[in-house]
Amino acid sequence: QSVLTQPPSVSGAPGQRVTISCTGSSSNIGANYDVHWYQQLPGTAPKVLIYGNINRPSGVPDRFSGSRSGTSASLAITGLQAEDEADFYCQSYDRSLRGWVFGGGTKLTVL
Amino acid sequence: QLQLQESGPGLVKPSETLSLTCTVSDGSISSDHYWAWIRQPPGKGLEWIGSIFYTGSTVYNPSLKSRVIMSVDTSKNQFSLNLSSVTAADTAVYSCARCAIFSPFDYWGRGTLVTVSS
Repeated sequence: QSVLTQPPSVSGAPGQRVTISCTGSSSNIGANYDVHWYQQLPGTAPKVLIYGNINRPSGVPDRFSGSRSGTSASLAITGLQAEDEADFYCQSYDRSLRGWVFGGGTKLTVL
Repeated sequence: QLQLQESGPGLVKPSETLSLTCTVSDGSISSDHYWAWIRQPPGKGLEWIGSIFYTGSTVYNPSLKSRVIMSVDTSKNQFSLNLSSVTAADTAVYSCARCAIFSPFDYWGRGTLVTVSS
């Protein structure tokens, strides 16, 4: 069981909008630790998609956006494209565990 | 651009110790960051194993703490992972990465598959 909870899968048609939730607790997201999102394409290392809850690294399209509220965070992807198909992970820090934690991952399928 | 590269055996026998090294290049390991090991079993999600600071200060995942030892060699710009008493459940792609408490894992190695089997 991951400390951060994500839906195992989401799907959407090209051009549509999807969101991926990441639910934590008062010892991680709720304790104001930042949430970061990663995109992992098959056979590759995870790549930072969103950092510090809402920030996009240079080169990440503005179709990707992040938000955080209370003990949860969300990743939104608008204008879905076939190339967006990948696994997505949220990540934060947990003060009770005194370490870094990941969500279980969400597989995005573009229909 | 900072680069990380994992090295070590791809096959380890059950009950033995898994040992991996991460070499950091185009940057110094003696920076204000932690250096981490993360693993991903085939078809499963990411699991943080532990992190080490260049001073040698370590933080381990409580679920693995009893079997993990990490070390750092600043003269070689390397840090290492030892995971003892391995079982088939420890079969995974092991990756090294750079991190900080308030920052993401921003640089990753390509990962190395370690299989536990007799």
